[in-house]
Amino acid sequence: DIQMTQSPSTLSASVGDRVTITCRASQSISSWLAWYQQKPGKAPKLLIYKASSLQSGVSSRFSGSGSGTEFTLTISSLQPDDFATYYCQQYNSYPPYTFGQGTKLEIK
Amino acid sequence: QVQLQESGPGLVKPSETLSLTCGVSGYSISSGFYWGWIRQPPGKGLEWIGTIYHSGSTYYIPSLKSRVIISVDTSKNQFSLNLYSVTAADTAVYYCVRHHTSSWPFDYWGQGTLVTVSS
Repeated sequence: DIQMTQSPSTLSASVGDRVTITCRASQSISSWLAWYQQKPGKAPKLLIYKASSLQSGVSSRFSGSGSGTEFTLTISSLQPDDFATYYCQQYNSYPPYTFGQGTKLEIK
Repeated sequence: QVQLQESGPGLVKPSETLSLTCGVSGYSISSGFYWGWIRQPPGKGLEWIGTIYHSGSTYYIPSLKSRVIISVDTSKNQFSLNLYSVTAADTAVYYCVRHHTSSWPFDYWGQGTLVTVSS
């Protein structure tokens, strides 16, 4: 199985900050990586697919980059609605599809 | 607009079978796409369980493969999860999901349903 590791596990930031979350794969997954946002009590929401493609309807403040084994999710100018938990997921090699452990973005 | 809705018991006894159904509206399952189940134990991360294609072909996470069956009922436009011989470790929020192809992320999610395994 491909292991996905996110860092940091928790991130404290302020409204207006630019933040970056990193996701590393245990082996190359090309660009087959997605990012999700999950708020408490809600289902995850797809933000980014194929490492850098923005899902329809998602704010352009979200961007993704990377390929191979290292990927980043960047949120420019944090808004109050952005404080949530973020997960990466690989879909290069399956079964199984695997997720990172999550990064909780908190208000500083 | 595609919508997915999970239904089923919220409490299951240990050693029994967890059975959930996902009703799909806004899209006909028989037209294609892949349909799956993902779970999330309380306070923990996401775990993909398995996926079914509209034709009925399936693939599962190896660690659960001996205990899980996912099936599809195109006449009712729904698909189901059966997880056998459950233990407390199977307590989780269960989500049904859709993805365009097997090589695509999960673009539509149900709201999730909490299933607790307890006597």
